[in-house]
Parts: sequence; C-alpha cells; structure tokens
Amino acid sequence: DQQVKQNSPSLSVQEGRISILNCDYTNSMFDYFLWYKKYPAEGPTFLISISSIKDKNEDGRFTVFLNKSAKHLSLHIVPSQPGDSAVYFCAARPFSGNTGKLIFGQGTTLQVKP
Amino acid sequence: DAGITQSPRHKVTETGTPVTLRCHQTENHRYMYWYRQDPGHGLRLIHYSYGVKDTDKGEVSDGYSVSRSKTEDFLLTLESATSSQTSVYFCAISGSEGQPQHFGDGTRLSIL
Repeated sequence: DQQVKQNSPSLSVQEGRISILNCDYTNSMFDYFLWYKKYPAEGPTFLISISSIKDKNEDGRFTVFLNKSAKHLSLHIVPSQPGDSAVYFCAARPFSGNTGKLIFGQGTTLQVKP
Repeated sequence: DAGITQSPRHKVTETGTPVTLRCHQTENHRYMYWYRQDPGHGLRLIHYSYGVKDTDKGEVSDGYSVSRSKTEDFLLTLESATSSQTSVYFCAISGSEGQPQHFGDGTRLSIL
C-alpha cells in the first residue's frame, strides 16, 4: 500500500502565480516530511522540510504546510517561475530509530508557463 | 553539490547477467541508500547502509544485494538481472538520520 500519495500527476500554472502541490499520507508515525525537486537526467535535490511538531516552514518562495489531523502536506511556491518546472516528490520519514529511511510519493510534474 | 558519483551512468545488458552499480561519496557520510525510480511509483528504497558492513533491506529488496566494505563505496548487485529491474537507480547519502538525503545523478539500467 502506498503510504505517501501525490494524487495529482501534473500541474500547470502561469508564471507569477501560486503553485500548490499536495501530498497525503496514511501513517501517523511519520515524524519528518520533505520535498524534493527533480529535473530530467538529474538526481532529486532537497528543497524544504518540516518536522511533525510544526505546521509551517518557509524558505524564500517555498512554504510547506502540515495538517496532521488531515494527514496532509502541501508545498506552496510563490511566485512561480519557469525554472520551477520539474517533478516534485514529497517524502516522509517513519519514526523508526536510527535509519533515516524515507518513503516517497509518486511525484507531481509542475509546468510553469511564461 | 554533495560529492556523490554513480557509475556507470547508463548500462544495457541482457536478462540473466549479473550487474553491479557503484555509488562513491567523498562526504564521509555514515548513511547510504539505493532507490529505484519507476513511473507511477516515485522512488522506492531497495537497500540502505548505516555504516561499514552494516546494511539492511528496504521495501523492494528482492533480487538485489548490497555491500559496503568502505565508508565511501556502496555497491548494488543484481545477481541475475530480469526485465522487471529495468529502471533508473539513485544512490543517496546523509550524515545522520535527521539530515536530508542528497542524491547522485542516477544510473539508467536497461535489461533486454
């Protein structure tokens, strides 16, 4: 069963507008959440993270929101830029001791149109 | 960029042959991970290592083995490759379980 789900395979927005990428999870034992961005032919790069004890974390144009009661995570990009066009993966870390293992969603392809 | 090198970057091989992928890091990080990326599945953990000679299985470990004899190298072996193992393989590293993982640029493996 997919413990971390990104139900929208793709999203298209206009440059300058807000992009909202969503992620749902099923395991209440996740204690840390991350977003990664991936360009073609490259590895994923870390974007932003949030601990389960917080509900918001902001870094420049990127903000991650965590709603624990709904088991929902979202990434807001404001304003969106054409260079943001990429595949975005959310990931969650189970509270499992000393492994650092991550469980990833399927990814959402974001296209930002000029 | 984190010092992670994956080799080879591309490989085409035949069913039944053994294949070894290498991940080399220059960061002296303790944790190393192997993932595969497939359409509709995102990234799935194959095996990981939490120190030299300390490894454990991930969620899709069947058909794969790993070895870590030095801090800097983590090898992924397909003992007898099958077409279902055609995928893009990523290595990742982190300094601790609390730090984000950083990824290499991947190996595209095709098994005919």
